[in-house]
Amino acid sequence: KQEVTQIPAALSVPEGENLVLNCSFTDSAIYNLQWFRQDPGKGLTSLLLIQSSQREQTSGRLNASLDKSSGRSTLYIAASQPGDSATYLCAVPPKETSGSRLTFGEGTQLTVNP
Amino acid sequence: DTGVSQDPRHKITKRGQNVTFRCDPISEHNRLYWYRQTLGQGPEFLTYFQNEAQLEKSRLLSDRFSAERPKGSFSTLEIQRTEQGDSAMYLCASSPQGAGETQYFGPGTRLLVL
Repeated sequence: KQEVTQIPAALSVPEGENLVLNCSFTDSAIYNLQWFRQDPGKGLTSLLLIQSSQREQTSGRLNASLDKSSGRSTLYIAASQPGDSATYLCAVPPKETSGSRLTFGEGTQLTVNP
Repeated sequence: DTGVSQDPRHKITKRGQNVTFRCDPISEHNRLYWYRQTLGQGPEFLTYFQNEAQLEKSRLLSDRFSAERPKGSFSTLEIQRTEQGDSAMYLCASSPQGAGETQYFGPGTRLLVL
């Protein structure tokens, strides 16, 4: 059974800092890995999707890396802003099924202080 | 593109009552997913449809839960004889055909069972 763990559970940083969020998964047989953002009481917004054949993906100030063999992914946020405050979730679908149900980590709650 | 919509956004009910939630996916997406999220946790997979066929159900989906997608478009999730433990955010997502595609989430329905 796939298990996804995110560290740290919560993070508070001053505005302008670069930061790294960590995600680990137990079964390396994955199609891809997704990073999502969730604002309080809201749904999820997809940030980045890394295919299993890729090592990293970038979007603006966000960079996600994937090391399948070690079961790890990181989300790097450059020059953090107060608007980045949210919960960040990583998720993986299984490779052995025809569907793509996602297994999520518990998230990292990020607070960026002005 | 109007995105995934869910109705209602909030529902308060008394224990023992039945509730029904609706999800309208992005129009060209043939896959539709339901997840449940409790406070401080990541979403947990409940079930998914490809067109009108329900292809996978989680063990979390007890006999009191039923989901339908009769014409392969919108979906409903019904909970019968609600219990306080059913209080959670119910999230719907959709994706196009193809395993491992990005899932697009709706805003969720927050259920409170008193």
